[in-house]
Amino acid sequence: NAGVTQTPKFQVLKTGQSMTLQCAQDMNHNSMYWYRQDPGMGLRLIYYSASEGTTDKGEVPNGYNVSRLNKREFSLRLESAAPSQTSVYFCASSGKGLVADTQYFGPGTRLTVL
Amino acid sequence: AQSVSQHNHHVILSEAASLELGCNYSYGGTVNLFWYVQYPGQHLQLLLKYFSGDPLVKGIKGFEAEFIKSKFSFNLRKPSVQWSDTAEYFCAVTSNRDDKIIFGKGTRLHILP
Repeated sequence: NAGVTQTPKFQVLKTGQSMTLQCAQDMNHNSMYWYRQDPGMGLRLIYYSASEGTTDKGEVPNGYNVSRLNKREFSLRLESAAPSQTSVYFCASSGKGLVADTQYFGPGTRLTVL
Repeated sequence: AQSVSQHNHHVILSEAASLELGCNYSYGGTVNLFWYVQYPGQHLQLLLKYFSGDPLVKGIKGFEAEFIKSKFSFNLRKPSVQWSDTAEYFCAVTSNRDDKIIFGKGTRLHILP
């Protein structure tokens, strides 16, 4: 059981470039999430998907798009990267939803935007 | 506005010392409370959680937390820390009123051997 996997682990972009962060889970979870972690800011929810076919904005959605490709996969896209998007990005999943369930996190993607 | 405060940003202790990390929240409705831990180089994992029932919750690795509703607090405790407890600890809150999760800013715990 791999749990939650993310690719890539590290990425350096130039301002204006685009990229997609991939996330997959093998726990048959309904809900998946994307967070960013910045020093002194804790984790902030970018987008989440309560179930296959649905996505909703979190606390900091601007500059990002997401796709829930199927039950296993949830990708995060930066269309035009900005230095303010330099961060560590975590994907997570849970069985029952955001409110009353444990989240299982991936290892993170460290993104630097120059 | 909903918020979670972790007052200690950086804590340094010696092995065998007792630990208490503070977490206070401002959130309406019935709350669910979590402590997550991130060990160096690893991903976040659940330490313990409170949904209802006994307000004293026991988690993994000897950690416990007490939900005190009147103080809007969910402090994390461990009677005797080990070097392997060096990590960053995050308190998080959700409410049955809405589909949100709020994380605290984290507390970096450094245990001296």
